[in-house]
Amino acid sequence: DGGITQSPKYLFRKEGQNVTLSCEQNLNHDAMYWYRQDPGQGLRLIYYSQIVNDFQKGDIAEGYSVSREKKESFPLTVTSAQKNPTAFYLCASSIDPPYGELFFGEGSRLTVL
Amino acid sequence: KQEVTQIPAALSVPEGENLVLNCSFTDSAIYNLQWFRQDPGKGLTSLLLIQSSQREQTSGRLNASLDKSSGRSTLYIAASQPGDSATYLCAGKAAGNKLTFGGGTRVLVKP
Repeated sequence: DGGITQSPKYLFRKEGQNVTLSCEQNLNHDAMYWYRQDPGQGLRLIYYSQIVNDFQKGDIAEGYSVSREKKESFPLTVTSAQKNPTAFYLCASSIDPPYGELFFGEGSRLTVL
Repeated sequence: KQEVTQIPAALSVPEGENLVLNCSFTDSAIYNLQWFRQDPGKGLTSLLLIQSSQREQTSGRLNASLDKSSGRSTLYIAASQPGDSATYLCAGKAAGNKLTFGGGTRVLVKP
């Protein structure tokens, strides 16, 4: 059945390492998004993409990078430049932005050791 | 810039009582407003989406209203059950296709 798959669910990283979080959707949605969730701060937009090969920075893009080579895939790389990467990362997608309903994956929890 | 506020941050009710969750937003030029549920350690589950041209949406025991003029949306959950315990978030979609989230209301329904 259709949905959004994020992997891995849990990830541990040493300081100075880059890590890539996977997000795959089989909903045939045009738009995809990455959010970061921290306790007491709500969800903040990192990057979003409305079509293949195009993406825009969100509110907290520094230290992150993305690519959108395929419609169904939107991986997020957390680089060593991200000062405080420990967080819960959520991927989402929607059809017909900006009017479409947003659907989320189950999230990936990144912990920097 | 759109700001979305949810008050209170936490709410506890006895089972069977109706739940009323509030969401306020500053930019009335929203495209739509969406309500989500989040269980601990999980992703967000979409509950209801209200387009700017609509006044309310209903799904089962859930009813959400939208008043753009006052910048408010309300989520009603009838006859609450312990399984309704979760964090509920609202989010408004404004210009630039950006969804702005409120901080959420953590709900506990006591048996």
